[in-house]
Amino acid sequence: DTGVSQDPRHKITKRGQNVTFRCDPISEHNRLYWYRQTLGQGPEFLTYFQNEAQLEKSRLLSDRFSAERPKGSFSTLEIQRTEQGDSAMYLCASSFMTSGRDEQYFGPGTRLTVT
Amino acid sequence: GNSVTQMEGPVTLSEEAFLTINCTYTATGYPSLFWYVQYPGEGLQLLLKATKADDKGSNKGFEATYRKETTSFHLEKGSVQVSDSAVYFCALSVLSGDSSYKLIFGSGTRLLVRP
Repeated sequence: DTGVSQDPRHKITKRGQNVTFRCDPISEHNRLYWYRQTLGQGPEFLTYFQNEAQLEKSRLLSDRFSAERPKGSFSTLEIQRTEQGDSAMYLCASSFMTSGRDEQYFGPGTRLTVT
Repeated sequence: GNSVTQMEGPVTLSEEAFLTINCTYTATGYPSLFWYVQYPGEGLQLLLKATKADDKGSNKGFEATYRKETTSFHLEKGSVQVSDSAVYFCALSVLSGDSSYKLIFGSGTRLLVRP
């Protein structure tokens, strides 16, 4: 296993279009997080899955955003009716609890540009 | 609430100089503390971590000590190399909601090391 992978790496779309990103976590990791990073800022939490259950969502996740993790494996993040303010790097991280602590490993990210 | 504040960059140093990047935090509960590094065009890589007060995390010549009394986790390296040029993020995690250990990041500090 080579780590967390994300697809696509880059996406350019026109305002109003829908986009979907995919994240494949490290295979034995049951916990999966999505973050968003805008230019010059640190990543901000969007949502969290434990196995297939979505257990926490940030207020940043508007109604246009939806995330799924069917069967507790890969995850998808969909943005409907994209806006220019959605332009950012979308990062996925996976983890497995050990010794009561959670250590997250990040994928390379999907850079979204909305024109 | 939970937050992380780190020194603004960019930090520009000559090769073999001593590095300090300051990080302070505010947290409820007992956070774990992390330093992540992001090289140009890449995702976040975990550099080091500390899970309780007075712990020292270390990796690749970098060190940081979890100081509860000053709520700080400053990153240090005795002799930087050109290859250390990157953006460094301080982060904390604390249990919230339904078993989530989402990361709260600082805004990042860009380090540029000149030959």
